[in-house]
Amino acid sequence: DAKTTQPNSMESNEEEPVHLPCNHSTISGTDYIHWYRQLPSQGPEYVIHGLTSNVNNRMASLAIAEDRKSSTLILHRATLRDAAVYYCILRPRSNTGKLIFGQGTTLQVKP
Amino acid sequence: DTAVSQTPKYLVTQMGNDKSIKCEQNLGHDTMYWYKQDSKKFLKIMFSYNNKELIINETVPNRFSPKSPDKAHLNLHINSLELGDSAVYFCASSVPFWGQGSAGELFFGEGSRLTVL
Repeated sequence: DAKTTQPNSMESNEEEPVHLPCNHSTISGTDYIHWYRQLPSQGPEYVIHGLTSNVNNRMASLAIAEDRKSSTLILHRATLRDAAVYYCILRPRSNTGKLIFGQGTTLQVKP
Repeated sequence: DTAVSQTPKYLVTQMGNDKSIKCEQNLGHDTMYWYKQDSKKFLKIMFSYNNKELIINETVPNRFSPKSPDKAHLNLHINSLELGDSAVYFCASSVPFWGQGSAGELFFGEGSRLTVL
């Protein structure tokens, strides 16, 4: 299973953009990049995913490097409710749902 | 209406006891999962069922037995509980992920915190 590397923790100020990096140098051609987050005392929730092109949805944007060996989750305006652990996960096409969670990045948002 | 619901939310029990955690999803998904989050916060898959059929069993001790009476329910029964079983257990469900279109995202329940004394 391909691995991802993320910083253990990051801090942000409220209403400022946050860029959460992820390295996945051993990514294979069939691996999609998925992001989940886990709010305190809750189960993980899906944020966004992509393959090669940058992606936007109502929660965040995903910027994928041209060589696909790294990606960045972008929260455009962090709120206090965005304080969570963010997980970057590689998921092969037709994956059975076995997600490999790393330690993730704990994001603190300061008012 | 909660999409994936687990009961109980908290469970405190003695070593050696047998306990069950129930999970129900109302999303119409075919696939359900059990994940375990240990004290160091690492999340790891335990089991996956697709249409009541076991498709993933991640070398979990035999004391753990999942049961899926129908595709909307996946229960977890644990025999002879040990101290190391203390963790938060998450149930999840999803549609298949084929790469295009749907993200095949997993929807997780809120977790069941099991404490073994």
